[in-house]
Amino acid sequence: AQTVTQSQPEMSVQEAETVTLSCTYDTSESDYYLFWYKQPPSRQMILVIRQEAYKQQNATENRFSVNFQKAAKSFSLKISDSQLGDAAMYFCAYRRGNDMRFGAGTRLTVKP
Amino acid sequence: SQTIHQWPATLVQPVGSPLSLECTVEGTSNPNLYWYRQAAGRGLQLLFYSVGIGQISSEVPQNLSASRPQDRQFILSSKKLLLSDSGFYLCAWSVVAFETQYFGPGTRLLVL
Repeated sequence: AQTVTQSQPEMSVQEAETVTLSCTYDTSESDYYLFWYKQPPSRQMILVIRQEAYKQQNATENRFSVNFQKAAKSFSLKISDSQLGDAAMYFCAYRRGNDMRFGAGTRLTVKP
Repeated sequence: SQTIHQWPATLVQPVGSPLSLECTVEGTSNPNLYWYRQAAGRGLQLLFYSVGIGQISSEVPQNLSASRPQDRQFILSSKKLLLSDSGFYLCAWSVVAFETQYFGPGTRLLVL
């Protein structure tokens, strides 16, 4: 079974600094999708970034970028120029077909 | 623009009582719909998904059920709640099945 592991239950970053959140996954498939979702205190889940496994180029969305290492089955999220509004739980997710799995999450604190 | 609504926002129910959580989507047609549960400190677990009216797929065997009586309405039900049903329930929709998903605000359920 495919599993998604986020090894950092909590992370903190100084405002305006850069932080990287880790995610690894286990799969025997070659074609799949990876996601990072943000869950602020409001609890609503917000899509941050999406990566197709067949694409070698790392996805980027403004201050958010990923480091996708397919062979290592690693999918880390880098947040540049961290802002107070970035404070949230971040979930890594894997999808292939109808199988969608989420990691346990990393709580990010941003210090002013 | 598309919006997704869930209600109630918070619910406290005794063990053995019935449950009905509602989710509706506005601004789109024939959405793919999903119910997730998030236990305290855990990631999301996919419970049900629906690709069309009357079509429900269950991912996890349990005492919960789902129905889709209308195109943009998705209902999560139970005849008798268990303590283990406590958690945060999120509804989501997507244009393409299991592609980028947009989540609702969630319902916090506490079973006592």
